[in-house]
Amino acid sequence: GQQVMQIPQYQHVQEGEDFTTYCNSSTTLSNIQWYKQRPGGHPVFLIQLVKSGEVKKQKRLTFQFGEAKKNSSLHITATQTTDVGTYFCAGPLQSNYQLIWGAGTKLIIKP
Amino acid sequence: DVKVTQSSRYLVKRTGEKVFLECVQDMDHENMFWYRQDPGLGLRLIYFSYDVKMKEKGDIPEGYSVSREKKERFSLILESASTNQTSMYLCASNEGGQGLLDTQYFGPGTRLTVL
Repeated sequence: GQQVMQIPQYQHVQEGEDFTTYCNSSTTLSNIQWYKQRPGGHPVFLIQLVKSGEVKKQKRLTFQFGEAKKNSSLHITATQTTDVGTYFCAGPLQSNYQLIWGAGTKLIIKP
Repeated sequence: DVKVTQSSRYLVKRTGEKVFLECVQDMDHENMFWYRQDPGLGLRLIYFSYDVKMKEKGDIPEGYSVSREKKERFSLILESASTNQTSMYLCASNEGGQGLLDTQYFGPGTRLTVL
């Protein structure tokens, strides 16, 4: 069936270092969404990418959607403690109303 | 702002009990979803509903049922709770249709422990 793979599962960084998470879909996606879940919180929508090759920025966060609309990435420049949490990608299932979720990448800032 | 509320943040139940988790959204959304979240497994869809009294199974419906009698309310029922249903349960909703409208809004979650 349709799958969205997300790597890595965890990333430990020093504060100020960069962070990247990658998503790959087994099928072409009409759009891809990114969510952030803070520790103890619930997923919160960050952004949606729709166009092939699209790049969007939110301050230190850069989101990319691949040319084939099968992969996407989130890059955070110069991480801060407020960036800590788990980042999920999700894409619509072709056949119905569902979103297919990546397993998430947990960003951990080393003490 | 969209608001999705869940009846409890924490719940402790015993094996074999019937458990009701309630979710309410205040934005007249068509679709509502129940997920469970376990470490390393991400979000897994249990059931969703695209209209009142309509429901569809997600990826892991076994051991669960749902009820949507009113548009704003979506209930998840564990008919006979088991220890492997200990998890975080998240409710979500969205406007309906696909494309730019399918961003999901989540409730705060219910952490259920089954002893």
